[in-house]
Amino acid sequence: AQKITQTQPGMFVQEKEAVTLDCTYDTSDQSYGLFWYKQPSSGEMIFLIYQGSYDEQNATEGRYSLNFQKARKSANLVISASQLGDSAMYFCAMRPPEQGFQKLVFGTGTRLLVSP
Amino acid sequence: DGGITQSPKYLFRKEGQNVTLSCEQNLNHDAMYWYRQDPGQGLRLIYYSQIVNDFQKGDIAEGYSVSREKKESFPLTVTSAQKNPTAFYLCASRDSDRTKNIQYFGAGTRLSVL
Repeated sequence: AQKITQTQPGMFVQEKEAVTLDCTYDTSDQSYGLFWYKQPSSGEMIFLIYQGSYDEQNATEGRYSLNFQKARKSANLVISASQLGDSAMYFCAMRPPEQGFQKLVFGTGTRLLVSP
Repeated sequence: DGGITQSPKYLFRKEGQNVTLSCEQNLNHDAMYWYRQDPGQGLRLIYYSQIVNDFQKGDIAEGYSVSREKKESFPLTVTSAQKNPTAFYLCASRDSDRTKNIQYFGAGTRLSVL
């Protein structure tokens, strides 16, 4: 079964510094998608970035980049120049091919606190 | 503005009562989803629907029911058979770009048992 592991329950970073949130995944499938979502205290899940398993380049979206290492099955999120508004829970998710790529499998999340 | 609207934001259920959570989207997305989130955990899939009048069970469908009579709406009913309904419920719809299949979420409904 597919599984997402986020080993860091909490991370602290100072404003304007970069931070890396770890994510490893377990799958025997060759075709899959990887996602990162942000969940502020309000509860809404906000999509941040996507990486396809066949994409050769690491995905980037503004201050977010995904460090994709396929052989190691890791998909770490890098946030550059952290801002106070980045304080939130961050979830890594995978979309396996089962059920026609409909399903997202989520990790347990990492809580990021950005200090002034 | 396009988006996904969930209501109510907070809901309380009495023992033996069925309650219905609303989810509406105006993004013209075909597929919609319901997830449950428990404290300290990620999201788990309850039900999903790829098209009107069709839906499939997810990983934790027992004690829940859904309908999809309109493209824009995908209500979730938490029945009395769901013995532990206290959780945060999130509705999502999926972008039609099949190369990515990104799911976008509403703001959630927090359900508690009285």
